Amino acid sequence: AQSVTQPDIHITVSEGASLELRCNYSYGATPYLFWYVQSPGQGLQLLLKYFSGDTLVQGIKGFEAEFKRSQSSFNLRKPSVHWSDAAEYFCAVGDNSGGSNYKLTFGKGTLLTVNP
Amino acid sequence: ETGVTQTPRHLVMGMTNKKSLKCEQHLGHNAMYWYKQSAKKPLELMFVYNFKEQTENNSVPSRFSPECPNSSHLFLHLHTLQPEDSALYLCASSQDPGQVGPGANVLTFGAGSRLTVL
Repeated sequence: AQSVTQPDIHITVSEGASLELRCNYSYGATPYLFWYVQSPGQGLQLLLKYFSGDTLVQGIKGFEAEFKRSQSSFNLRKPSVHWSDAAEYFCAVGDNSGGSNYKLTFGKGTLLTVNP
Repeated sequence: ETGVTQTPRHLVMGMTNKKSLKCEQHLGHNAMYWYKQSAKKPLELMFVYNFKEQTENNSVPSRFSPECPNSSHLFLHLHTLQPEDSALYLCASSQDPGQVGPGANVLTFGAGSRLTVL
């Protein structure tokens, strides 16, 4: 069964600092990988996704993520954090075997606090 | 506005009440989902409907009863809930769950319905 681990429950960074959120997955083949963001009182919004090809994926709001098969990782990065980036971030892995590939497995999330 | 609308946004109910959560999507998607989000736990997939047919029931207790009259509307009927059912219930939709490729698995979420069971 597929699984996702986000090792950091809570991260605090200063505005303007760089950011990296970690995500490790377990899946038998090449997975579909996603990062979603949830602002307080809101649903989840897709930041970016990886399906195949270039392992460095660009997303919205200046975020990027890199798929590293050898490390089973899909870490999210941003070079300079803005106060509006404070939110909870979820990594997810999808089953791409066809048929049941709608199943997304989410990590527990990383809460990001941005200090002024 | 994501194109997926959930009502009500907040709901407080007693354990003997009957209430319903509603979800509507204006994206032309064919699949709709209910997720439960509890504090400090991963999102839990509850139900999946594909072209109005239920294709997934993730061992959800019968006190939660979904209904999908068409591809644009999804309901979650609640009856005799327990305090531990208090959570944020998220509705999502996707274009085609059987699709393979870049569009697969891309979920669009509503803002959620915050449920408190007293």
